[in-house]
Amino acid sequence: GQNIDQPTEMTATEGAIVQINCTYQTSGFNGLFWYQQHAGEAPTFLSYNVLDGLEEKGRFSSFLSRSKGYSYLLLKELQMKDSASYLCAVRHNAGKSTFGDGTTLTVKP
Amino acid sequence: DTGVSQNPRHKITKRGQNVTFRCDPISEHNRLYWYRQTLGQGPEFLTYFQNEAQLEKSRLLSDRFSAERPKGSFSTLEIQRTEQGDSAMYLCASSWTGGRSSGNTIYFGEGSWLTVV
Repeated sequence: GQNIDQPTEMTATEGAIVQINCTYQTSGFNGLFWYQQHAGEAPTFLSYNVLDGLEEKGRFSSFLSRSKGYSYLLLKELQMKDSASYLCAVRHNAGKSTFGDGTTLTVKP
Repeated sequence: DTGVSQNPRHKITKRGQNVTFRCDPISEHNRLYWYRQTLGQGPEFLTYFQNEAQLEKSRLLSDRFSAERPKGSFSTLEIQRTEQGDSAMYLCASSWTGGRSSGNTIYFGEGSWLTVV
């Protein structure tokens, strides 16, 4: 079966750094996505990792360890607008991805 | 092109009625996906198309659900004999396969909210 785990909620302070972890046990792995989703809106693509290591994109970085079934999303210099749900998703093949239930991040002043 | 477009954005229907949602992907995108999302959960895969071919369907897609992409451009998702459990947001997404970033960036539409009463 497919199992993707991420914390339900996290809170952090504006200007700080936060790391959102994701662990997975899935059949078929062809990469891992991170999406941001504000309440009532569609998910927005943040990153895609298919090889082990760290991918950096501005304030956001994503890390993958395939052998450990582990990824994290690192958000630096947090801003209030970063308050959202962050979804980890495993891509199985060309079409299908399985999503975690998301981590709701609240950024406080 | 302004991105993936879905309509209607909101639909309230009585149990037992049929509903149809339409998705217009980003124009050059050859892959189109349907997902369903309920409150507090991540999107669940329903089906996807490569051009006009439906390549995979989830077991979640019961006989009451059907999706088409007749000309490889827009797609429709029809739910027949709706049930209260069908209430959810139906998300469409698209991507381009070809080139170095093939299929790795998937763009979601704003979603179609269905409420079955």
